[in-house]
Amino acid sequence: NAGVTQTPKFQVLKTGQSMTLQCAQDMNHNSMYWYRQDPGMGLRLIYYSASEGTTDKGEVPNGYNVSRLNKREFSLRLESAAPSQTSVYFCASSRQYNEQFFGPGTRLTVL
Amino acid sequence: QKEVEQNSGPLSVPEGAIASLNCTYSDRGSQSFFWYRQYSGKSPELIMFIYSNGDKEDGRFTAQLNKASQYVSLLIRDSQPSDSATYLCAVRRGGGATNKLIFGTGTLLAVQP
Repeated sequence: NAGVTQTPKFQVLKTGQSMTLQCAQDMNHNSMYWYRQDPGMGLRLIYYSASEGTTDKGEVPNGYNVSRLNKREFSLRLESAAPSQTSVYFCASSRQYNEQFFGPGTRLTVL
Repeated sequence: QKEVEQNSGPLSVPEGAIASLNCTYSDRGSQSFFWYRQYSGKSPELIMFIYSNGDKEDGRFTAQLNKASQYVSLLIRDSQPSDSATYLCAVRRGGGATNKLIFGTGTLLAVQP
């Protein structure tokens, strides 16, 4: 069981470039989440998917889009990266109302 | 007022002592409460969850919940240097079919050998 996996681990982008962060889980969880973590701000929810086929905005959705590709995979896309999106991004998954399990994270720097 | 508040620390305790980490929340209807540990440069890992008022023990860890006072705490007995990390409190709000968690900013614990 790999749990929650994320790719890439590190990424450097220039302002205006686009990229997609990939997340997959092998725990047969229904729900998946994308967070960003910034110093002093804690973990903030960007988007989540309660079940396959549904996605909803979290606390800080602006500048991001998501796709729930299937039950296992949930991707996060930055269409036009900005320096304010420099952060550590975590994907998580859970059964419906239970504890969330986190992936190893992606460290993104936007120059 | 933040929805979930934690003292950022650092909380420094000697090895072998009890570390007490506290968290308060503002939504009185909150239903589920979680403690995560995060080592520097790593992802959060779940330590414990608690749903009902009172204490819940798991090894050296005890979670305490008081819904009337809207606080949840984590006690770590016999603290070890390996417990040095940031501890995140997370709360699931009440109402609606959602598992969205609200996280505090975390308390940095330093266990001194």
